[in-house]
Amino acid sequence: DTAVSQTPKYLVTQMGNDKSIKCEQNLGHDTMYWYKQDSKKFLKIMFSYNNKELIINETVPNRFSPKSPDKAHLNLHINSLELGDSAVYFCASRGFSYEQYFGPGTRLTVT
Amino acid sequence: EDQVTQSPEALRLQEGESSSLNCSYTVSGLRGLFWYRQDPGKGPEFLFTLYSAGEEKEKERLKATLTKKESFLHITAPKPEDSATYLCAVVSEASGSRLTFGEGTQLTVNP
Repeated sequence: DTAVSQTPKYLVTQMGNDKSIKCEQNLGHDTMYWYKQDSKKFLKIMFSYNNKELIINETVPNRFSPKSPDKAHLNLHINSLELGDSAVYFCASRGFSYEQYFGPGTRLTVT
Repeated sequence: EDQVTQSPEALRLQEGESSSLNCSYTVSGLRGLFWYRQDPGKGPEFLFTLYSAGEEKEKERLKATLTKKESFLHITAPKPEDSATYLCAVVSEASGSRLTFGEGTQLTVNP
């Protein structure tokens, strides 16, 4: 009965590779997000989708491309991975009073 | 631009020693202030939403309060299982549904 789930939990890959992270929520929410948490634990928003439509696109390299096949899913595809992309990526969905519910995170390590 | 500052960065308490965490914010039209708990290797867990000055919310040993400039998370008689990083975030009229996070307070409760 997990509310927001992400796969994979860990992702280790080499520079230059392309990888994807998947996110699903079963809360019935319309809005989903991707956040990046750096080594200092600071959470920064990357993207937001509302019912499959992109509504927030922060200053993120265009190597990062979100895709939302339906309102319960928001995936993140990353091309040409760089060392600086190493971080923990969290998916979240927004409740009815602006609170957000987060997934367990995907720790990406680029070597 | 919304700003959130949390203090202290880290706090060590003995079991049973009550204390407070601070979250100072600057926003244009607060829609909500949120407290989250994050355990190592996990996603942030939603605790409270506060909407207006004077509002208070309680959950077990935690009590959150809000003024026009800051919020406090009071921890009464903490236990070791309360050890975590506590994150504060805001949503404003200017930010849409975008959460702006503080950098968190890492709380350690020693037995």
